[in-house]
Amino acid sequence: DAKTTQPPSMDCAEGRAANLPCNHSTISGNEYVYWYRQIHSQGPQYIIHGLKNNETNEMASLIITEDRKSSTLILPHATLRDTAVYYCIVRLPLFNFGNEKLTFGTGTRLTIIP
Amino acid sequence: NAGVTQTPKFRILKIGQSMTLQCTQDMNHNYMYWYRQDPGMGLKLIYYSVGAGITDKGEVPNGYNVSRSTTEDFPLRLELAAPSQTSVYFCASSRLAGGELFFGEGSRLTVL
Repeated sequence: DAKTTQPPSMDCAEGRAANLPCNHSTISGNEYVYWYRQIHSQGPQYIIHGLKNNETNEMASLIITEDRKSSTLILPHATLRDTAVYYCIVRLPLFNFGNEKLTFGTGTRLTIIP
Repeated sequence: NAGVTQTPKFRILKIGQSMTLQCTQDMNHNYMYWYRQDPGMGLKLIYYSVGAGITDKGEVPNGYNVSRSTTEDFPLRLELAAPSQTSVYFCASSRLAGGELFFGEGSRLTVL
């Protein structure tokens, strides 16, 4: 899997859009970008994923640059409950048995400020 | 649906003791995973399984063993516990290869 780089921490005012960047300059053509978050010490929660088109669901939007070397997760109206660690992961769509060692990096700690 | 259930939630072990962390899922997922998370760090894959009877090592398998006799259950066995195994352990499952991961609430293990 391609490696990702995320800022260690970010703050965002409550009610504003939170924009979390992720750099994945070594991404290959068939690797997807996934986002998860971990609230306090709970198990990580899936947010969204995409290949090259922008994606939106009820939780967030994912913007992937045209060259696919970076992406941004957007939480449109951040609330205090969005305070969490956000992980950006790049991975193949198929689990290649014996080849893939799926790991999470240290992510971005997002703090929503009242 | 309960999703992914892990037991116990907390456990303290003495050095050299053994124990099994239980994980069960009721979503009929073929793919199951065990991760550990050390304080302030990301998750590291210990073992994974692509179906009953099939398991393989992840990034940090030393000191652990797994089995997958049924689709629902994926227990993680710690043999001869060491302080370095103090961590939070997460079990996860997914329906598709490379699909969305569903995580349990975690099991916090301390080895003294």
